[in-house]
Amino acid sequence: GAVVSQHPSWVICKSGTSVKIECRSLDFQATTMFWYRQFPKQSLMLMATSNEGSKATYEQGVEKDKFLINHASLTLSTLTVTSAHPEDSSFYICSARDSWDTEAFFGQGTRLTVV
Amino acid sequence: GENVEQHPSTLSVQEGDSAVIKCTYSDSASNYFPWYKQELGKRPQLIIDIRSNVGEKKDQRIAVTLNKTAKHFSLHITETQPEDSAVYFCAASGTGANNLFFGTGTRLTVIP
Repeated sequence: GAVVSQHPSWVICKSGTSVKIECRSLDFQATTMFWYRQFPKQSLMLMATSNEGSKATYEQGVEKDKFLINHASLTLSTLTVTSAHPEDSSFYICSARDSWDTEAFFGQGTRLTVV
Repeated sequence: GENVEQHPSTLSVQEGDSAVIKCTYSDSASNYFPWYKQELGKRPQLIIDIRSNVGEKKDQRIAVTLNKTAKHFSLHITETQPEDSAVYFCAASGTGANNLFFGTGTRLTVIP
């Protein structure tokens, strides 16, 4: 299957700093990329959906000024957690697909710990 | 947006028995229904998907059924094996809506 690469796989940052997570589709053009947050033993909570070249669509309750999403090309989307706080510590995972009715491929996820 | 509900949240079966996981969705415009398997510490991976123009799809020990009228779909795993133990997620998305919404997941444990 197609490959989606997410980096970094883990990051520890100090409270108040910003962290950028990258999601790349390596062998296909990702028309749409999704960003999810997953708490331990819980489901994938959709944070936002981004289409290449346009602004991301955020789900209700997700602060767009805190979680900045950029999808500047068909192979790269970034999530920046700004002014991170301990409650932002979580597992963030991206996925990408090239059409509404095709498989979404997942990145390996990023474990963020804010201390 | 779409609301996907999944049951049960946990499921334990004896090796060789069948496992069934059920999901319902709210948006009648949804047309694509994938199932993902997430093993511990790994990324979710697609195991089977179904589109609204079919009612059932089978791939070896895995099958998915879809009832568009009732807005529910189910995953069936037959002859379960210990390596089937994982968390399974259903999802739904629709035409013109690129979002892919997931159910809350089912932790399946196959007891040897």
